[in-house]
Amino acid sequence: SQQGEEDPQALSIQEGENATMNCSYKTSINNLQWYRQNSGRGLVHLILIRSNEREKHSGRLRVTLDTSKKSSSLLITASRAADTASYFCATDDDGNNRLAFGKGNQVVVIP
Amino acid sequence: KAGVTQTPRYLIKTRGQQVTLSCSPISGHRSVSWYQQTPGQGLQFLFEYFSETQRNKGNFPGRFSGRQFSNSRSEMNVSTLELGDSALYLCASSPLALSYEQYFGPGTRLTVT
Repeated sequence: SQQGEEDPQALSIQEGENATMNCSYKTSINNLQWYRQNSGRGLVHLILIRSNEREKHSGRLRVTLDTSKKSSSLLITASRAADTASYFCATDDDGNNRLAFGKGNQVVVIP
Repeated sequence: KAGVTQTPRYLIKTRGQQVTLSCSPISGHRSVSWYQQTPGQGLQFLFEYFSETQRNKGNFPGRFSGRQFSNSRSEMNVSTLELGDSALYLCASSPLALSYEQYFGPGTRLTVT
């Protein structure tokens, strides 16, 4: 199975609400990254969390990492219409020197 | 700094033809990676180049190849195109390696008819 598998859900929320999405992976990692993609365009890096970190913040983003459960979550607080996008987690598949992306979570923020 | 650029942005080819896609990384970035994105398979790693050497390759047939030049620009080539090669091809660059933050280009949308 592919590394970095998000919970396969499309999320539709109202502007101002929080959005949470999850990611699970199978092998050991050095770090886990989250990316955003707007409608068929390139990916934009959001945040990187290292395997020895448990939580990281960047603006309205909060990422947690639980290496014992091999899972991560991305929280977007006070969502905006501009947050409408697909969100991917990616793991560095320790030892293979490649990034493995999950299937992505589509988030729609309704103004 | 200018971002990662990819050319062309859109391409239509017929089965059996070959195609070359180009990627110019961010200045100073030495690692260039290529990904294929399709609705069915998602984002799949093709290969990574660092200082003109292919360091890693994904699970794609030999029809997919690439190279990197001394100025870090990279090209990927797909020969004998198949309908299933229709996809968004994304290039990403990084200062050091795959395990660091990747900077993605806008992608090349390839349609094979």
